Amino acid sequence: AQSVTQLGSHVSVSEGALVLLRCNYSSSVPPYLFWYVQYPNQGLQLLLKYTTGATLVKGINGFEAEFKKSETSFHLTKPSAHMSDAAEYFCAVSDSGTYKYIFGTGTRLKVLA
Amino acid sequence: GAGVSQSPSNKVTEKGKDVELRCDPISGHTALYWYRQSLGQGLEFLIYFQGNSAPDKSGLPSDRFSAERTGGSVSTLTIQRTQQEDSAVYLCASSLGAINLGVDTQYFGPGTRLTVL
Repeated sequence: AQSVTQLGSHVSVSEGALVLLRCNYSSSVPPYLFWYVQYPNQGLQLLLKYTTGATLVKGINGFEAEFKKSETSFHLTKPSAHMSDAAEYFCAVSDSGTYKYIFGTGTRLKVLA
Repeated sequence: GAGVSQSPSNKVTEKGKDVELRCDPISGHTALYWYRQSLGQGLEFLIYFQGNSAPDKSGLPSDRFSAERTGGSVSTLTIQRTQQEDSAVYLCASSLGAINLGVDTQYFGPGTRLTVL
């Protein structure tokens, strides 16, 4: 069965520092992987997704993630945090060809001035 | 174009009452999903509609929960005899429904925050 683990329910970084949000998945078949962001009182917005091809995926707002099959990971990074990045981030996995997404429990990012 | 919309944005109800939550998907999207987001939890899949196919109701937590989708567009999630543990944010998403073309990205609405007193 598929599963997603997000290490760290809360992460704090200083403004301008590197953001690293961790996501590990398990899947018996090549997965599709997603990162969504949720700002307060809003729905989820797609940041980026991995389907096939290049393992380094660039998304919106300067975020990127790298699919590492050997580590079953899809960590989200941003070189320099901005105050506006404060939000909750969800990693999700879907088996190719299916509609079901399995979501992680989320990581709340706090950016310190 | 317009995104996924949901109404109401907030709903407060008393235990035992029935509630209806509405979702308007993106125009042209044939697939529609309902999720529940409880405090400190990830998103819990509830139900999936695809075109005229029978919905996947495998995520509905009890028979108090039901959903319908009229005319392949608007969907209503109904919770009967609400309980305090039903308090959560209910999120709706839609997608093109083109699974056979590869990944089918889901687009989410802002959610309905349900509070059961």
